[in-house]
Amino acid sequence: AQSVTQLGSHVSVSEGALVLLRCNYSSSVPPYLFWYVQYPNQGLQLLLKYTSAATLVKGINGFEAEFKKSETSFHLTKPSAHMSDAAEYFCAVNPVDYNNNDMRFGAGTRLTVKP
Amino acid sequence: DAMVIQNPRYQVTQFGKPVTLSCSQTLNHNVMYWYQQKSSQAPKLLFHYYDKDFNNEADTPDNFQSRRPNTSFCFLDIRSPGLGDAAMYLCATSRLSSYNEQFFGPGTRLTVL
Repeated sequence: AQSVTQLGSHVSVSEGALVLLRCNYSSSVPPYLFWYVQYPNQGLQLLLKYTSAATLVKGINGFEAEFKKSETSFHLTKPSAHMSDAAEYFCAVNPVDYNNNDMRFGAGTRLTVKP
Repeated sequence: DAMVIQNPRYQVTQFGKPVTLSCSQTLNHNVMYWYQQKSSQAPKLLFHYYDKDFNNEADTPDNFQSRRPNTSFCFLDIRSPGLGDAAMYLCATSRLSSYNEQFFGPGTRLTVL
């Protein structure tokens, strides 16, 4: 079964510093990959997705992620953290299967941004 | 704007008292999902509907039921809530496609007293 592993349940950065949130996937074929953000007491909002087009994917709020097949990774980055980026971030995987709705989420990474 | 709406946003119920959470969507998506999310955890899929076809996850307790009377609405019924059912409940939708991007509602936070 396909899955994702997020390395680091908590990441803390200073405002203006680089944000790097790690996600590795497990799949026999390149799957579809997603990053979602969740603010307190809210639902999940899609940041970006990889659907086998460009390997460098740009999302909302200045975030981007690069799909690296050789490393089975899909790490999320942002060059300069803002206080408003503090939230929970989830990496998710969907199998490449038209008939399969089975999205699997990582355990999440809580991002703290220090002033 | 097309969206996923959940009502209420906060629900308080008593131990053992049935409760219903609702979800509606204006996206005209054919798939609707219910997730349970406990504090500091990833969302856990309870079940989903593809149109009217109901798909239950193997480990979803019988205490949880769902109804989808039409394309736009989906309900989560908890027949006898226990303290362990206190959580955020998230509704999501997707258009069945090759990558199934899911769109989430704001969630309902359930408290069980």
